[in-house]
Amino acid sequence: AQKITQTQPGMFVQEKEAVTLDCTYDTSDQSYGLFWYKQPSSGEMIFLIYQGSYDEQNATEGRYSLNFQKARKSANLVISASQLGDSAMYFCAMREGISGGYQKVTFGIGTKLQVIP
Amino acid sequence: GAVVSQHPSWVICKSGTSVKIECRSLDFQATTMFWYRQFPKQSLMLMATSNEGSKATYEQGVEKDKFLINHASLTLSTLTVTSAHPEDSSFYICSASRASSNQPQHFGDGTRLSIL
Repeated sequence: AQKITQTQPGMFVQEKEAVTLDCTYDTSDQSYGLFWYKQPSSGEMIFLIYQGSYDEQNATEGRYSLNFQKARKSANLVISASQLGDSAMYFCAMREGISGGYQKVTFGIGTKLQVIP
Repeated sequence: GAVVSQHPSWVICKSGTSVKIECRSLDFQATTMFWYRQFPKQSLMLMATSNEGSKATYEQGVEKDKFLINHASLTLSTLTVTSAHPEDSSFYICSASRASSNQPQHFGDGTRLSIL
């Protein structure tokens, strides 16, 4: 089974509108972390937001918020007031702590977001 | 935010050459470093996880003798692509992180490797 599933290969959003990027995950760990990264066409990976498995509140960072639904194993990213500079690939990732100190990080296939003026 | 420096950013070399890529965490001690490979328009594929002072843990299908990883200090990890061939051409990107699972990875800017 896929560890991280992003079902939207591409999304369009009008400038200044909000957009939700979907992410579901699969793990048997009790303690894990969920992350969203942005990758512009230049290639660098930019950390956006983090949600811990034990966090009760949804994470927020400026215009980014994470809609965490633990029972459904979903961690959707919400971008409010979209800007042209938000056009990029967005990756959802999960970090699990495997026994023996080894940590595994899995990325989804990404969603390409295009913001339309 | 935390800074991770990856060097070089672009390498073009002949087939059979070995290429070393460095990943440095500049302002924090990175207990764990990750090496990824990314093909065009695809996601990041984890190659290996390295913890400082111990051997790297490679993902299934990644050749240990081909992709040598050294994590000699808390601020430096290196990936050496030995006897590189055209099929090794790719975008390689490292990340560094503190120990626990709630710490984000901080990425270098990546290395574009082209083998002729």
